[in-house]
Amino acid sequence: DAKTTQPNSMESNEEEPVHLPCNHSTISGTDYIHWYRQLPSQGPEYVIHGLTSNVNNRMASLAIAEDRKSSTLILHRATLRDAAVYYCIPHAGGTSYGKLTFGQGTILTVHP
Amino acid sequence: NAGVMQNPRHLVRRRGQEARLRCSPMKGHSHVYWYRQLPEEGLKFMVYLQKENIIDESGMPKERFSAEFPKEGPSILRIQQVVRGDSAAYFCASSLHGGSDTGELFFGEGSRLTVL
Repeated sequence: DAKTTQPNSMESNEEEPVHLPCNHSTISGTDYIHWYRQLPSQGPEYVIHGLTSNVNNRMASLAIAEDRKSSTLILHRATLRDAAVYYCIPHAGGTSYGKLTFGQGTILTVHP
Repeated sequence: NAGVMQNPRHLVRRRGQEARLRCSPMKGHSHVYWYRQLPEEGLKFMVYLQKENIIDESGMPKERFSAEFPKEGPSILRIQQVVRGDSAAYFCASSLHGGSDTGELFFGEGSRLTVL
């Protein structure tokens, strides 16, 4: 799996947008970009994934650079419940399976 | 729909005892994965199982650890003769398909093992 670089930590205020960056310059052409988050004392939770095009779902948006060497997870209006560790995980699709490589992630703190 | 259920949530064992962690995947899911999170470290893949088969155990320690997913019943992660270094949170995940290109693994809330 491709190596990723994420900020160790970020802070936001409640109700404001948050942009969480991830560099994955060694990503291969078939790797999907997955984002998971882990709230304190809980298991990881799927957030979003994409391949080339930007993606939106009820939780977040994923903006993928044209060269796919970086991506940004966008939380449009942060809430206190969004305080978590966010993991960016490039991972091969197709016949691959759920053997994800979690890095250190970004610790997001949300201030009231 | 019930999510991935793990039990026990907390388990305390003395050195040398056995620990058994159970995982019931989401309804209809036949692919189960175990991950371990040591204190202050990231999650590490341990093993991938389908019903009655171990598909990939490349992340399992060579000794004392075993996993199974029988035809009936939950998946079991078994740790024999536990040592203090086994103290960690163990997470189970399940998926509908084997390929993660479906995007989503569903994780349980974990079993936290403390070895005294």
